[in-house]
Amino acid sequence: QKEVEQNSGPLSVPEGAIASLNCTYSDRGSQSFFWYRQYSGKSPELIMFIYSNGDKEDGRFTAQLNKASQYVSLLIRDSQPSDSATYLCAVKIGGGADGLTFGKGTHLIIQP
Amino acid sequence: DGGITQSPKYLFRKEGQNVTLSCEQNLNHDAMYWYRQDPGQGLRLIYYSQIVNDFQKGDIAEGYSVSREKKESFPLTVTSAQKNPTAFYLCASSPTGTAFGYTFGSGTRLTVV
Repeated sequence: QKEVEQNSGPLSVPEGAIASLNCTYSDRGSQSFFWYRQYSGKSPELIMFIYSNGDKEDGRFTAQLNKASQYVSLLIRDSQPSDSATYLCAVKIGGGADGLTFGKGTHLIIQP
Repeated sequence: DGGITQSPKYLFRKEGQNVTLSCEQNLNHDAMYWYRQDPGQGLRLIYYSQIVNDFQKGDIAEGYSVSREKKESFPLTVTSAQKNPTAFYLCASSPTGTAFGYTFGSGTRLTVV
């Protein structure tokens, strides 16, 4: 059974601070990890992906992966009110096309 | 511009009625997917297809049907057998063979009236 767990929140962070979003997964065969941002009523948009242990940085976003602990996180530096959204963690096993498994998402609120 | 288009944006279904949701992509992606999103439930996989004329059931396929007659198109039919169809339906596509993420369409919000 493939499971992806996230704290549903809401996670409230002051503007300008670092937001830290966490995700755990159950299947040790998972190879690819994705973070999507979803605004209310809209479809998800891909913001980060990571395949290897360690950190990956893209602008204000940093994805962190620890396969031994089956843990992936997303850090958002200098948080802005426009970062307020639901963040979905998604996991893929192997390179096939049998679908991503999504967590239920964490609702992030950036307080001005 | 390359992208994935879902229509209609809003759809209303009467009890006992079948409805079809459209999904078209011009990204030349081989794989296409249908997900359902309910409040607090996250995204759940309904059906997916890796190549034309082939598709596989996902986790919640009961009450749904799909076809893949063209690479660009992957319509979803919500049949009368689906007892709780009110949800936000998302179509996505991706390349296959490597670990890419998805590109999502803008979604169809289906409501039973």
